[in-house]
Amino acid sequence: AQKVTQAQTEISVVEKEDVTLDCVYETRDTTYYLFWYKQPPSGELVFLIRRNSFDEQNEISGRYSWNFQKSTSSFNFTITASQVVDSAVYFCALSVPYNQGGKLIFGQGTELSVKP
Amino acid sequence: DTEVTQTPKHLVMGMTNKKSLKCEQHMGHRAMYWYKQKAKKPPELMFVYSYEKLSINESVPSRFSPECPNSSLLNLHLHALQPEDSALYLCASSQDLTGIETQYFGPGTRLLVL
Repeated sequence: AQKVTQAQTEISVVEKEDVTLDCVYETRDTTYYLFWYKQPPSGELVFLIRRNSFDEQNEISGRYSWNFQKSTSSFNFTITASQVVDSAVYFCALSVPYNQGGKLIFGQGTELSVKP
Repeated sequence: DTEVTQTPKHLVMGMTNKKSLKCEQHMGHRAMYWYKQKAKKPPELMFVYSYEKLSINESVPSRFSPECPNSSLLNLHLHALQPEDSALYLCASSQDLTGIETQYFGPGTRLLVL
């Protein structure tokens, strides 16, 4: 069975601080995909990144960066120089090919609050 | 354009009402999804349509009835709901149902059942 754990329920930082959101996953599949979504108070889930299990290269997009480590089954997300607009709930998710169950498995989410 | 639209944004209904939620995408995606999300929880999958056919029903009560009139539209018909059905209902779509494609979500409908 697949599982995603986001141990941090809530994080509060002051603007301009760096913050890392942790994500640990469990799966026996060799082919899988990992995602991060952002959900601001408005409710829409905004796609941030998709990474497949064969690509362990870290990725940077502006102030966002992701660290994928298969050895520790982690896919952590760092926001550099946080801003108030980063305040949201962030979900890490795992999916496997449909013929192995399909479905997007979400973690419980981390609520990030960035204070001015 | 990665846009999924949903109407209405907010809905208040009584337990005897019949209402419908609508979802639309114009990305040429062939898989569409309904999720239910309670406060402080992750989204829970309800239904999945692939090529306009129902592929997954996560044992959802029959008071929720999905419909996929065409490849761009997805409806969720509501009847005789309970107060515990109050939640954010999210629609999503993906290129297909391989399980590895990115799902793009709409803004959701906030439903309150009185």
